[in-house]
Order: sequence, then C-alpha cells, then structure tokens
Amino acid sequence: GAVVSQHPSRVICKSGTSVKIECRSLDFQATTMFWYRQFPKKSLMLMATSNEGSKATYEQGVEKDKFLINHASLTLSTLTVTSAHPEDSSFYICSVWGGTEAFFGQGTRLTVV
Amino acid sequence: DQQVKQNSPSLSVQEGRISILNCDYTNSMFDYFLWYKKYPAEGPTFLISISSIKDKNEDGRFTVFLNKSAKHLSLHIVPSQPGDSAVYFCGGGSGGGADGLTFGKGTHLIIQP
Repeated sequence: GAVVSQHPSRVICKSGTSVKIECRSLDFQATTMFWYRQFPKKSLMLMATSNEGSKATYEQGVEKDKFLINHASLTLSTLTVTSAHPEDSSFYICSVWGGTEAFFGQGTRLTVV
Repeated sequence: DQQVKQNSPSLSVQEGRISILNCDYTNSMFDYFLWYKKYPAEGPTFLISISSIKDKNEDGRFTVFLNKSAKHLSLHIVPSQPGDSAVYFCGGGSGGGADGLTFGKGTHLIIQP
C-alpha cells in the first residue's frame, strides 16, 4: 500500500507566524490528497481536497486564505497555516486516496503560542 | 448536521471477548465506509473497509457489517487483544470514497486483561 510521509510531526510556533506542513506520497502518484484536522476529543474533519496542478477544494467554513494548500507534484502537497493563532493549534493529518483505501500520514501536532 | 455518528464514546471489553463498535450514518449518497484505529498523537491506521454493494467484509480478526436499510455499520473484533485498545473512527464517503471522508467522533475501546 501507499506510504505517506508527513513532516514535521510536531511544531511549535509563535502567534502571527506561518507554518508549512508537508505531505509526501512515497510510492504512489497521488492526483488527490486530503487534509484533515482533529480537535481534541473530536472527529477528524475534512478541511480540503488537494488536487495536483489545480486549486484545492475547501470544505465549508474553512478559510482558504488562512490554510493555503499547494499540490505542485503528484507526490507532494503542502498545507501552510498563515498568521497562526492559538485557536489553530490542532492535529493536522493528510491522506492519499489509493483507489481502494485511504492512506494517512503520521500527523502534525501544531501548537501556536 | 453530523452525517456519521458513533454514539458510544467509550467501550470496555475483556481480553479474548468480542468487541462490537457501532456507527450510524445519514447520507444516503455514501457508498464506501471504513474503520480506522488511532493511537494518541499518531495518524490513523486503516483497518477495514466495505463497499455499499456488500453487507459484510472480513479481514482476520476484524469484520465489518453494513446494513444499508438501517444506515448502520458495525465493526466486530474477535478475539479482542490488549493492543486493540485505541480510538476507532468510522468514516463514510461517496464516489467510492474518492470524494473525501466524513468521520464519526470515535469510540475509545479499552481492552481489559
């Protein structure tokens, strides 16, 4: 199955700065990747669908100018949290759709101080 | 509107017995369902999936049952092992799953020795 590598696994940043999270599909060419966010004790919530070579599709309520997604190649999608605030602190997970199942990255724990 | 519901936040089962985790959904367009297992601070791990054309799928100790008329699915784990202690998420999606997934809030399964 596809191996998905997500980096970094943990990041602490100051309020107002931007943070970039990378999601790499190591052995599968992914035209579509998904970004999820998990709040404490809550479900994974789909934030956006990242499409290779085109604009991402954002779910309702997700600020596209705050959560910038770039899917420049078939193996790499990035999520940039711009002007981060403490309420952006969360666990972010990317996923690659492998045709029959989804493969998840290890997740990134973002803490904004 | 919560499209996927896991009404039991936690479940405690004795080692060796059967664990049954339940999930209900409301979106009739969903044609693909999955169960994921998640340990704290890690990305989800895919367990098992089922297409809406089936009513049962089995993989080792894990079996998923789908009742389309009741919009209900369940995950059976037999026999339960200590390593099964984790949070289990039920997810559903349309387009065979390729449109992104909607997850329930999870059920924390605790296997007691």
